[in-house]
Amino acid sequence: ILNVEQSPQSLHVQEGDSTNFTCSFPSSNFYALHWYRWETAKSPEALFVMTLNGDEKKKGRISATLNTKEGYSYLYIKGSQPEDSATYLCARPSDYKLSFGAGTTVTVRA
Amino acid sequence: DARVTQTPRDKVTEMGQEVTMRCQPILGHNTVFWYRQTMMQGLELLAYFRNRAPLDDSGMPKDRFSAEMPDATLATLKIQPSEPRDSAVYFCASGLAPGFVDEQFFGPGTRLTVL
Repeated sequence: ILNVEQSPQSLHVQEGDSTNFTCSFPSSNFYALHWYRWETAKSPEALFVMTLNGDEKKKGRISATLNTKEGYSYLYIKGSQPEDSATYLCARPSDYKLSFGAGTTVTVRA
Repeated sequence: DARVTQTPRDKVTEMGQEVTMRCQPILGHNTVFWYRQTMMQGLELLAYFRNRAPLDDSGMPKDRFSAEMPDATLATLKIQPSEPRDSAVYFCASGLAPGFVDEQFFGPGTRLTVL
């Protein structure tokens, strides 16, 4: 099982503010990095699958960057809204499965 | 709109009873995963299958948990006997192997309460 770490564990952000958080992973034998969004009382949904060093993906106000050489990815939320409140999971595939981080729980205060 | 389905959505049972959770993966997906939501670990992988063959079930207690995939459209997770500490939300997910660039699709989960 790969050691995928996320920080911070949780954060609170004021509505309208932007925020970002980190996913760290082993850089060896890299294939892809996944980001999932997990709202309370729902199931995780994929946000991005990133494969190339320097890759940047964007979906609405959420974007992510990838550094495969140093083994980290950032997720950014621009102009946070209450509906962005969720736990954001990153994961690296290995042995046909995903090794998930523990997640960063984002709470957006109105 | 293809989705992973899970039944039941909620299950309340008494300690010692057998519990069976079912999952129908998305048609065409050849990998199926069972996860448990925990406070400490977020998503805990219990078992997974590729082309219906179990690849790894080291994440689940062998003495009481069992996972099977009797056919390509059905995966089951069974707990016998159930214990209060098994109370959790259990998620099934499916995807395409090898799955490196393919996302996993999660079902809605089964919320299990063992009294």
